[in-house]
Amino acid sequence: SQTIHQWPATLVQPVGSPLSLECTVEGTSNPNLYWYRQAAGRGLQLLFYSVGIGQISSEVPQNLSASRPQDRQFILSSKKLLLSDSGFYLCAWTGLAGGSTGELFFGEGSRLTVL
Amino acid sequence: GQNIDQPTEMTATEGAIVQINCTYQTSGFNGLFWYQQHAGEAPTFLSYNVLDGLEEKGRFSSFLSRSKGYSYLLLKELQMKDSASYLCAVDPGGSYIPTFGRGTSLIVHP
Repeated sequence: SQTIHQWPATLVQPVGSPLSLECTVEGTSNPNLYWYRQAAGRGLQLLFYSVGIGQISSEVPQNLSASRPQDRQFILSSKKLLLSDSGFYLCAWTGLAGGSTGELFFGEGSRLTVL
Repeated sequence: GQNIDQPTEMTATEGAIVQINCTYQTSGFNGLFWYQQHAGEAPTFLSYNVLDGLEEKGRFSSFLSRSKGYSYLLLKELQMKDSASYLCAVDPGGSYIPTFGRGTSLIVHP
């Protein structure tokens, strides 16, 4: 069966510090991968998505970046965090390519607080 | 553009029925998802509607009207554990980037 894990679960970082959140999927190949952010009381905002190794699309211009060094690994990074980067970050995958449909499977989430 | 609207908050009594509405205006439409999200947790899949009509899954049902750009999630025999946020999401087809509404926070009280 397929599983998705992301870490760390919780982190508190000072403004200006770097960030690295990691997500891995097991039990499937060539998944579509997504990073979403959910601010308090708000919906899910798509940050990045990837349809393959090294293929990253950004939905929102900001100080975050994403990378996909391996088929089932997706990393969210920042060189210098801002206060506005605080939120609940969710990695997700789906096994279907463009034009098809399928539900998203989410990781456990990473709660980031920037002070 | 994408526009998905759902009420911010709803309250209901344990054992009752509640209907959570979602309207959408999107540049593409292939189907509509409903997810449940408990506080501090990740969303989990509830339903997916492609065709018009009602689909039932135990205590939860989901309805879609493509011509009206409208869906609802119906929860019957409410339980306290149903207190959660319910997210409506449109599958636009094409590049497959689901777009989420802001979610409806449902509070079930005794």
